[in-house]
Amino acid sequence: EPEVTQTPSHQVTQMGQEVILRCVPISNHLYFYWYRQILGQKVEFLVSFYNNEISEKSEIFDDQFSVERPDGSNFTLKIRSTKLEDSAMYFCASSEEAGSNSPLHFGNGTRLTVT
Amino acid sequence: AQSVTQLDSHVSVSEGTPVLLRCNYSSSYSPSLFWYVQHPNKGLQLLLKYTSAATLVKGINGFEAEFKKSETSFHLTKPSAHMSDAAEYFCVVIGNTGFQKLVFGTGTRLLVSP
Repeated sequence: EPEVTQTPSHQVTQMGQEVILRCVPISNHLYFYWYRQILGQKVEFLVSFYNNEISEKSEIFDDQFSVERPDGSNFTLKIRSTKLEDSAMYFCASSEEAGSNSPLHFGNGTRLTVT
Repeated sequence: AQSVTQLDSHVSVSEGTPVLLRCNYSSSYSPSLFWYVQHPNKGLQLLLKYTSAATLVKGINGFEAEFKKSETSFHLTKPSAHMSDAAEYFCVVIGNTGFQKLVFGTGTRLLVSP
């Protein structure tokens, strides 16, 4: 079964550094998402992306965050200047369509640790 | 706004006994509801979904959930727990936009003892 793959599985970075989290969505999927889960807290929506532009973003997704689909297969999340509170598990997801009958497929996540 | 409440942070069962993970939802209109499971160091896997068709929904690995509008509940059940069911389970509702903005519950950790 096709999978969403995320790299790296674990990233450690220093506060203030830029970090890029990478995702390869399922190949025929058109909608892409990032979610995050701070340790001990709920999984939270960050951003959705369709047709090479952001379709919706949460209040968390401020100017420090950006997403990009640089080629036909990768979908990246960039954090420009990391803060301690950015430490979390980041999940990439994709879906074939926008509606609820097309469920999200999640990757295994990237654990980001900011020191 | 849509929300879900998972009533138990931890549930412990013995192998072979029934599983009940509780979820209540709040929604201003007919919701789409899901259960996802997360095994250690793994991604979130869809167990089952309710999207206004049959109220009793069957999912993978023998799990099922029943949508009860009168109780605003969507509890997850399984007749007989297996050791491999030990994981974190999330009840999820779709937010009120068209782009699958999932709203997660706080999760229930299922512990299965031999």
